Amino acid sequence: DADVTQTPRNRITKTGKRIMLECSQTKGHDRMYWYRQDPGLGLRLIYYSFDVKDINKGEISDGYSVSRQAQAKFSLSLESAIPNQTALYFCATSDPGSGRPETQYFGPGTRLLVL
Amino acid sequence: AQSVTQLGSHVSVSEGALVLLRCNYSSSVPPYLFWYVQYPNQGLQLLLKYTSAATLVKGINGFEAEFKKSETSFHLTKPSAHMSDAAEYFCAVDTGGFKTIFGAGTRLFVKA
Repeated sequence: DADVTQTPRNRITKTGKRIMLECSQTKGHDRMYWYRQDPGLGLRLIYYSFDVKDINKGEISDGYSVSRQAQAKFSLSLESAIPNQTALYFCATSDPGSGRPETQYFGPGTRLLVL
Repeated sequence: AQSVTQLGSHVSVSEGALVLLRCNYSSSVPPYLFWYVQYPNQGLQLLLKYTSAATLVKGINGFEAEFKKSETSFHLTKPSAHMSDAAEYFCAVDTGGFKTIFGAGTRLFVKA
């Protein structure tokens, strides 16, 4: 089984709808991240969490919110989806105990289309 | 602020030819650098990382990268391309805030 899983893998929604993307991990890592990938822009950080009680905004957090329900679960919500949020979304984890630089472990991604 | 720049959004090589993917970094402190690979319909996975222990870093699948401080570069190479190397490659830098900044990516095409 995959160490980092994301659901759904693909989602089509309409402008104005609220949607949630979910991420689960079995790696036991404290740190979790949400990124979006757009062609030509690489990966941009939306939110990151260093533990269940520590959640931080990344470079492009506007229009998004997150919830860290447990060490293993980190959800990303789009409160009111808009077409420019169409992208590929990745969840990732890392282990602070591994020392710098921390390798990040990625899920398979969720492809989101907002109509 | 730390950043990375990948030169060339697309690179095409013939099978068996040298692969060279270019990455330049900007950092006021000694950087920690990565190369990640993304195969079609998959998440990113680590190829290799520079930790200052050695300037030539060997990774998986025959890839290696050389850290050159004088050129602020961390180019990725592989002596002989294989069809299975076709993927997107990302250079990245650990910013020290336990966050990683990724380059825009270079898509590698391998021709038979």
